[in-house]
Order: sequence, then C-alpha cells, then structure tokens
Amino acid sequence: GENVEQHPSTLSVQEGDSAVIKCTYSDSASNYFPWYKQELGKRPQLIIDIRSNVGEKKDQRIAVTLNKTAKHFSLHITETQPEDSAVYFCAASSNFGNEKLTFGTGTRLTIIP
Amino acid sequence: GAVVSQHPSRVICKSGTSVKIECRSLDFQATTMFWYRQFPKQSLMLMATSNEGSKATYEQGVEKDKFLINHASLTLSTLTVTSAHPEDSSFYICSARGRGATNEKLFFGSGTQLSVL
Repeated sequence: GENVEQHPSTLSVQEGDSAVIKCTYSDSASNYFPWYKQELGKRPQLIIDIRSNVGEKKDQRIAVTLNKTAKHFSLHITETQPEDSAVYFCAASSNFGNEKLTFGTGTRLTIIP
Repeated sequence: GAVVSQHPSRVICKSGTSVKIECRSLDFQATTMFWYRQFPKQSLMLMATSNEGSKATYEQGVEKDKFLINHASLTLSTLTVTSAHPEDSSFYICSARGRGATNEKLFFGSGTQLSVL
C-alpha cells in the first residue's frame, strides 16, 4: 500500500518568514495530493490540493509543488502569520482522490510573533 | 463548502459499554464515508471505508466486530464502538466524499473525543 512520509515533525518560524513542509510517497499510482490544516481538537481543513498533471499550484500565500519523478511534494507558506500555527498533514490518493487517502505523520507549525 | 456533521463531539463512557457516533452529510450525498482514528499528536489512521448500501471495508488490524460501521443512507453513517475499553479512548473522525461537484474532495466531520473509564 501507499506510504507517506512527512518532514519535519515540528517547525518554528518567525512571523513573516516562509515555512516549507515536505512529503514523499511510495506508490507511483498516487495522483492526488491534498494538504490539511488541523487545529487542536478540530477537524482537518483542506487548504490546497494538487493533481499529478500539474507541477505547482498557488492560492494566495499557500503553494504546493509536486515532483512526480522523485515522488515528493511540498507545501510552501509565505508571509506567515500567527493564525498559521497548527498541525499540517499531507496526504496521497490514487484515482484522483476517489480512493482512500493515506496521511503523512503531520507537522506542528508554530509561528513566533 | 460541503458540511459534515458529527455527533457527539465528546463522550465519556464506562468500560464494557457501547458507544455510537453519527456522521451526517448535510448538503450533499455522501457516496463514500471514511472513519479515522487519531491518537494525540499523531496522524489520522484510516479504520474503514463504507459505501452506501454495502458492507464496510476494514483496514488491516481493525476489528470489524468491535467497530461496527453502518452506511444505510447517502447522508448517514454510524460507527459503534462495542464493549469499549480504555485503550479505545481516542479521537474518532469521519469524512465523506460525494457526488458531482464534491467528488474528489473529502469533507471531515468535527470529530468525537471518546474517553473510556
């Protein structure tokens, strides 16, 4: 089955700086890669996703890049703000998301004011 | 966006009792429901996948007789933890995927914190 690894497990950045979280996946059949933000005790919220036919996608301060050859994808948050502090999970799925998602282990991001 | 309602948000029960958690899709038809378990500071571990009208598919290591899943309609799925024990204490969260415009997107319930005494 699919195996998704995520790094780093914790990340602290100064407010205004950029944060980068990286994930690798094992199954070459995976073609849908969402990122979720989860605050303590709350539901994961989809913040951005990318399909394998695209190498990069951006939405305001958030961007995701995908390297299919290397089987890795990354989340980039620019101009970080305190409200960006949360746990971020990457995930992978095949059939463009119609199959089950396999989640990464999560990254606890702390923005230092 | 689509809304998935999950109840209860928190439940405390005695060891040996059963607990039912409900997950409803409020504004779309959920053809597939996923149930996850999340321990503190850990990732979401898929327990089972259920499609409306058919039996759930359980992940390896998940006891189907202990975690009963029912997906009787396109808007409701339930997870029943039978004969709960302290080691079943965890955050349980459902997610749903629907038809049409909501396909490919997964919408999460708000989660249920189960504490077994």
